[in-house]
Amino acid sequence: QKEVEQDPGPLSVPEGAIVSLNCTYSNSAFQYFMWYRQYSRKGPELLMYTYSSGNKEDGRFTAQVDKSSKYISLFIRDSQPSDSATYLCAMSSTGGFKTIFGAGTRLFVKA
Amino acid sequence: EPEVTQTPSHQVTQMGQEVILRCVPISNHLYFYWYRQILGQKVEFLVSFYNNEISEKSEIFDDQFSVERPDGSNFTLKIRSTKLEDSAMYFCASSPLPLTGAEQYFGPGTRLTVT
Repeated sequence: QKEVEQDPGPLSVPEGAIVSLNCTYSNSAFQYFMWYRQYSRKGPELLMYTYSSGNKEDGRFTAQVDKSSKYISLFIRDSQPSDSATYLCAMSSTGGFKTIFGAGTRLFVKA
Repeated sequence: EPEVTQTPSHQVTQMGQEVILRCVPISNHLYFYWYRQILGQKVEFLVSFYNNEISEKSEIFDDQFSVERPDGSNFTLKIRSTKLEDSAMYFCASSPLPLTGAEQYFGPGTRLTVT
């Protein structure tokens, strides 16, 4: 079983839609959960991170962590064509010296 | 806004040659990382570095790889004898947060092509 699983997509939505991106994981030691956005041939850009379970909101983005189900989500409200990118989940345990990434989900937002 | 910088943006080398990839982390950050991403694949952790020593390394980071912080600003990744399968994007990242791995800021990457 992979440590972090993420559906690679692609996911195509119309402009203005609510987008839901998800990852599952197997290592219960993970405590920190991050979402990155990556445009083609660029470095990952940190969107937000959460610690342990719960929700965190930043503008149009909401991250959710359910540690009991080992499931994390990123919601994008009012999606825009500029949101078209690959979204990567990533996680680390306390100590934080090793971060494991998901495969990334390619998102296309159509105008 | 401070950012992580990497040089060169693209490096072409022949198999068996040594390469050094350079990174300048954000100035007040203390935790440094190298990752690689083979084209079309996921970002893979290579090594983390704190307090002038390796904190953790992955199975990929074998004896062919080494890291160094030669001065107060640069952070380098050396591959001693490159192989074809080392062709990938290499990303450097830095973080101000202790012991979490969260809030890592990535550089734009160096594309390494081994021929």
